[in-house]
Amino acid sequence: EAGVVQSPRYKIIEKKQPVAFWCNPISGHNTLYWYLQNLGQGPELLIRYENEEAVDDSQLPKDRFSAERLKGVDSTLKIQPAELGDSAVYLCASSQRSHEQFFGPGTRLTVL
Amino acid sequence: SQQGEEDPQALSIQEGENATMNCSYKTSINNLQWYRQNSGRGLVHLILIRSNEREKHSGRLRVTLDTSKKSSSLLITASRAADTASYFCATDGMDSWGKLQFGAGTQVVVTP
Repeated sequence: EAGVVQSPRYKIIEKKQPVAFWCNPISGHNTLYWYLQNLGQGPELLIRYENEEAVDDSQLPKDRFSAERLKGVDSTLKIQPAELGDSAVYLCASSQRSHEQFFGPGTRLTVL
Repeated sequence: SQQGEEDPQALSIQEGENATMNCSYKTSINNLQWYRQNSGRGLVHLILIRSNEREKHSGRLRVTLDTSKKSSSLLITASRAADTASYFCATDGMDSWGKLQFGAGTQVVVTP
């Protein structure tokens, strides 16, 4: 069974540039999560989808971050414009009915 | 904000020794989960313990939960070099189903 796929694995951009991350969850998983992980910290939830509906986006900085999950499968997280403080690892996870979440390898973003 | 706090922040042991790490949290939970993260990779689910359970085993892992003290512990017995990783506890709160809140993690180094 294929795991959660994320791309790109690494991204280096200059501040004020836009950036997008892509996630393909495990087949059949209805719930998709985007997390942000700073160095030395645990992941923090940005947004959670149930199928194509964002059910919890309270931690998503909506002035510069946006996300979508068209057709309830793949998802894209975008930052525009990126700031220096956005440098972090962006993790995508998916789950089915159980509470166990399956994580992708993450995208390490560096903003210069 | 992070719900759980792991203790210690770092742990260094030799192969064959046991490793114990603790997690404390603040609000009532549905369940508590432990995840492992190897350097530069995504998180891997280790074990889930429900709020009405006190102890759970999985292979060389033993997890306890004390809801009266709002704390949990993870014991890894007979550690191996491959156990070197960061370990995170994550709580699924009663008032936020499906939203995991992670601690900052315990970094474990197992030397051969």
